[in-house]
Amino acid sequence: GAGVSQSPSNKVTEKGKDVELRCDPISGHTALYWYRQSLGQGLEFLIYFQGNSAPDKSGLPSDRFSAERTGGSVSTLTIQRTQQEDSAVYLCASSLRGLAGGDTGELFFGEGSRLTVL
Amino acid sequence: GENVEQHPSTLSVQEGDSAVIKCTYSDSASNYFPWYKQELGKRPQLIIDIRSNVGEKKDQRIAVTLNKTAKHFSLHITETQPEDSAVYFCAARRMDSSYKLIFGSGTRLLVRP
Repeated sequence: GAGVSQSPSNKVTEKGKDVELRCDPISGHTALYWYRQSLGQGLEFLIYFQGNSAPDKSGLPSDRFSAERTGGSVSTLTIQRTQQEDSAVYLCASSLRGLAGGDTGELFFGEGSRLTVL
Repeated sequence: GENVEQHPSTLSVQEGDSAVIKCTYSDSASNYFPWYKQELGKRPQLIIDIRSNVGEKKDQRIAVTLNKTAKHFSLHITETQPEDSAVYFCAARRMDSSYKLIFGSGTRLLVRP
């Protein structure tokens, strides 16, 4: 596709339910990030995938959060037993590669998935 | 790991004035410093970046300066216009693809007409 695609764009769920958020990065981009943005707040790092390397999961706030990236492309962020404090916009971003070989390292963001936990 | 602090959290300027946003970082090995702009309800987009082999970079009305010794970098916007109103994020990382990009907490800039 032309850009990073995320789905769903909006998700309302009840406390305790599980949710899955999907990210389809730009074709050929090997780096993929998930960030969380609470209302009026900054970009909180969650997880980083780079090629075939083990993902950097250091930003995941609890073991209720997990993410996978299948075939080096599509990624799914799963939140189990959702809590009200999980309400936020979840942003996915991809970039071409690392910063070697003249690659700019620019991150291209999706529109985000707005999660509301009631 | 890297930690980026950003100030101020909000900034209000008169149209035509300059705006300066400052960031500090903790990892002395970081050498890539981008700035992203997020307009209301939209996704963040890269506006300018600087690498540690230069101290300053300009692109029309925006410029970024880097002081590696002090581990801080700044965004300067001159002749501000209402369309510059947005949230600006600084970020830092090492130029090694195994390292992640860490953002500052953001600065909400309001340009008053």
